[in-house]
Amino acid sequence: GQQVMQIPQYQHVQEGEDFTTYCNSSTTLSNIQWYKQRPGGHPVFLIQLVKSGEVKKQKRLTFQFGEAKKNSSLHITATQTTDVGTYFCAGVEYGNKLVFGAGTILRVKS
Amino acid sequence: GAGVSQSPRYKVAKRGQDVALRCDPISGHVSLFWYQQALGQGPEFLTYFQNEAQLDKSGLPSDRFFAERPEGSVSTLKIQRTQQEDSAVYLCASNKGGEGYTFGSGTRLTVV
Repeated sequence: GQQVMQIPQYQHVQEGEDFTTYCNSSTTLSNIQWYKQRPGGHPVFLIQLVKSGEVKKQKRLTFQFGEAKKNSSLHITATQTTDVGTYFCAGVEYGNKLVFGAGTILRVKS
Repeated sequence: GAGVSQSPRYKVAKRGQDVALRCDPISGHVSLFWYQQALGQGPEFLTYFQNEAQLDKSGLPSDRFFAERPEGSVSTLKIQRTQQEDSAVYLCASNKGGEGYTFGSGTRLTVV
């Protein structure tokens, strides 16, 4: 079945440094979504990418969808303590069902 | 409502007890999903409804797990004869279809 892998599992950065997490799917996706989960919280939707090669930006966050629609990345420029949490990618192969990766835990030292 | 509402927030069950978890999705959202999230893991798909129809239940771990959404709004996830391995956070989410999911705060189930 469809599998979504994320790396790294964990990253600890100094405030102001950049951060990137990578996501790979075992199958071609119709779209990919990114979520953020704060400690003790629930996943919160960040963005959806649909087109091959698509790049979207939200302030300091840049999201990319690969040309083959099997991989994606999230890059955060100049991290802040408010960026702390777990970032999940989740892929849709068909229909409306999301398959989540295991997430990347981001810790920011101030 | 304004968001997805789940109850109870916390549930402690003795092994072998039956539990029922409730989800009240956003009004107008036709799609409703149940996920199970173990500590330190990503959400794992359990089942999916479109209105009252259960379109996919491939993620339900065993026949002890049952979900329903009889009127196409509120949904209930029932777990019979709970086991320790059922301990997890159960997340409910809804969407209009083709959009991002809105998750509820989850129910943390602990089986002792």
